[in-house]
Amino acid sequence: GNSVTQMEGPVTLSEEAFLTINCTYTATGYPSLFWYVQYPGEGLQLLLKATKADDKGSNKGFEATYRKETTSFHLEKGSVQVSDSAVYFCALSSSNTGNQFYFGTGTSLTVIP
Amino acid sequence: DTGVSQDPRHKITKRGQNVTFRCDPISEHNRLYWYRQTLGQGPEFLTYFQNEAQLEKSRLLSDRFSAERPKGSFSTLEIQRTEQGDSAMYLCASSLVSGGYGEQYFGPGTRLTVT
Repeated sequence: GNSVTQMEGPVTLSEEAFLTINCTYTATGYPSLFWYVQYPGEGLQLLLKATKADDKGSNKGFEATYRKETTSFHLEKGSVQVSDSAVYFCALSSSNTGNQFYFGTGTSLTVIP
Repeated sequence: DTGVSQDPRHKITKRGQNVTFRCDPISEHNRLYWYRQTLGQGPEFLTYFQNEAQLEKSRLLSDRFSAERPKGSFSTLEIQRTEQGDSAMYLCASSLVSGGYGEQYFGPGTRLTVT
């Protein structure tokens, strides 16, 4: 079956620190992989995506590379800002299962000045 | 593009009552999904529609839950005889799927509290 395992939080970092949030997956077929972000009081927003192995998704300084050999899609950012404080969700979608999303449990990030 | 909208944003109801939520997807999107999110968890899939056809339902969707998408536009999710365990955020998402995957756009959610 399909599932996503995400690094547990909460994570607290100082401004300008390096961020890594780990995400691994199991899937049938060839899934697409996503990172969504949820800011306080707001809905889920797509942060970045990758649709095939070795693709790198990037947006707003965040990056993640689709690694089929390690079934991973870790989220990274070189220098976090206070405005990056949010909950981050890793997700996969597979055309084998109607493109429904399978989400991880989310990782809460707090960045302190 | 006004995005996905959901109504109401918050609903408080007493156990045993029926509730209905509405989702308006992005207008040209052919797929509509419902998810449920409880505190500290990621969203869990409930059901999805392609146009007006309901193509899949999760086993999480008990017989007290029913969803419709008449005419392939907006969708409603009804919960009958609500239970305290139904308290959650109910999320709607829509996508345009053509020949492959479709990126999903989420609405702000309806937060249900069953007392």
